[in-house]
Amino acid sequence: QKEVEQDPGPLSVPEGAIVSLNCTYSNSAFQYFMWYRQYSRKGPELLMYTYSSGNKEDGRFTAQVDKSSKYISLFIRDSQPSDSATYLCAMSANNAGKSTFGDGTTLTVKP
Amino acid sequence: DGGITQSPKYLFRKEGQNVTLSCEQNLNHDAMYWYRQDPGQGLRLIYYSQIVNDFQKGDIAEGYSVSREKKESFPLTVTSAQKNPTAFYLCASSILGLGDQPQHFGDGTRLSIL
Repeated sequence: QKEVEQDPGPLSVPEGAIVSLNCTYSNSAFQYFMWYRQYSRKGPELLMYTYSSGNKEDGRFTAQVDKSSKYISLFIRDSQPSDSATYLCAMSANNAGKSTFGDGTTLTVKP
Repeated sequence: DGGITQSPKYLFRKEGQNVTLSCEQNLNHDAMYWYRQDPGQGLRLIYYSQIVNDFQKGDIAEGYSVSREKKESFPLTVTSAQKNPTAFYLCASSILGLGDQPQHFGDGTRLSIL
């Protein structure tokens, strides 16, 4: 079983919808949690970076981490067609030297 | 502008041939990484390096080799021993490299077999 499982998608929503993207993990040592957005034929770019449990908000994006349930989420409010991309969760333990990525969820926001 | 440059964008390899993918960063980051991305499989770590002249195998190192002679450069060689090299290859870097800093990615090299 993989250390990080991500809801596979694909996900298709109308413009303006609230989107929820989710990952679960099994390694209790993970303390750093990241969400990346990847457009087609491009490298991933960092969207959100959080440490330990709690919420973090940045504009239309909110990241939630629940370490007790080993569950993280990314919420996108008022989704736009420009949000259409693949979203990757990633996480790492302290002093691990590397991150573990989920397989990604492809999102399409229809005008 | 600081960033990571991967070249070439597209690369074609003949059977039995070694090819080298270039990755250069001007972010002054200590750590560099190579990933392979196949459709529906996310990012799989090939090799990573936390300091110059040192690197570690990732999850799928077989058939690949790397070097880290300079802080800003981390080339990846796909050898003829890699039997299924067709994939999208991504290079990344981060500060330090202890796993607690997010990574910055290049825009990838797409490798195909002729």
